[in-house]
Amino acid sequence: DVQLVESGGGLVQPGGSLRLSCAASGFIFSSYEMNWVRQAPGKGLEWLSHISSSGSTIYYADSVKGRFTISRDNAKNSLYLQMNSLRAEDTAIYYCARDEYYYDSSDYYKGMDYWGQGTRVTVSS
Amino acid sequence: EIVLTQSPGTLSLSPGERATLSCRASQYISSSYLAWYQQKPGQAPRLLIYGASKRATGIPDRFSGSGSGTDFTLTISRLEPDDFAVYCCQQYASSPTFGQGTKVEIK
Repeated sequence: DVQLVESGGGLVQPGGSLRLSCAASGFIFSSYEMNWVRQAPGKGLEWLSHISSSGSTIYYADSVKGRFTISRDNAKNSLYLQMNSLRAEDTAIYYCARDEYYYDSSDYYKGMDYWGQGTRVTVSS
Repeated sequence: EIVLTQSPGTLSLSPGERATLSCRASQYISSSYLAWYQQKPGQAPRLLIYGASKRATGIPDRFSGSGSGTDFTLTISRLEPDDFAVYCCQQYASSPTFGQGTKVEIK
């Protein structure tokens, strides 16, 4: 079975840093693009970052660009999010999610088909 | 950034009724890049629909998606007790964004 398990969340002071991890199992991790998505308390989902299967292509949302760094270690089947200069508004549950591509005769499509259970990050003094 | 606006914010319906949820994009997006997710309290989102109208693996056929351009719809033909949840749309046409969600609650 496909599993994504996040870890590394916790309470951190404003300006501090945290490194989140996402351990993948049950599929060929190195073949899949991955994402980090967060959800602030009582709010909707916010996409944060995407990394290609090899790690060579990376995208960030403007809200975290320059502060957060996504990376992966395909040998360890792991995805990471290094979060620096944390702010109160970064308080959220952080999810890792797998991108799946679907194909038919006319086109291709995408969806985040597997998600971890999330790890909670609280930024507060 | 493409903004997705969902309506209504909350839909109060009874089991067996039909639910119609709207997702409007701030600019044209290809239907290939529109997905719908279901999220229950304390759980991660679950992919329901990709490509605007294609059901993900294991999703019952009471869930259907439609639309194109800027207007997309998720329909649940007959609500079952397990369907009461929050539903959100997502676009991949540019830097991914999610709608704010529609809560389907029991009336």
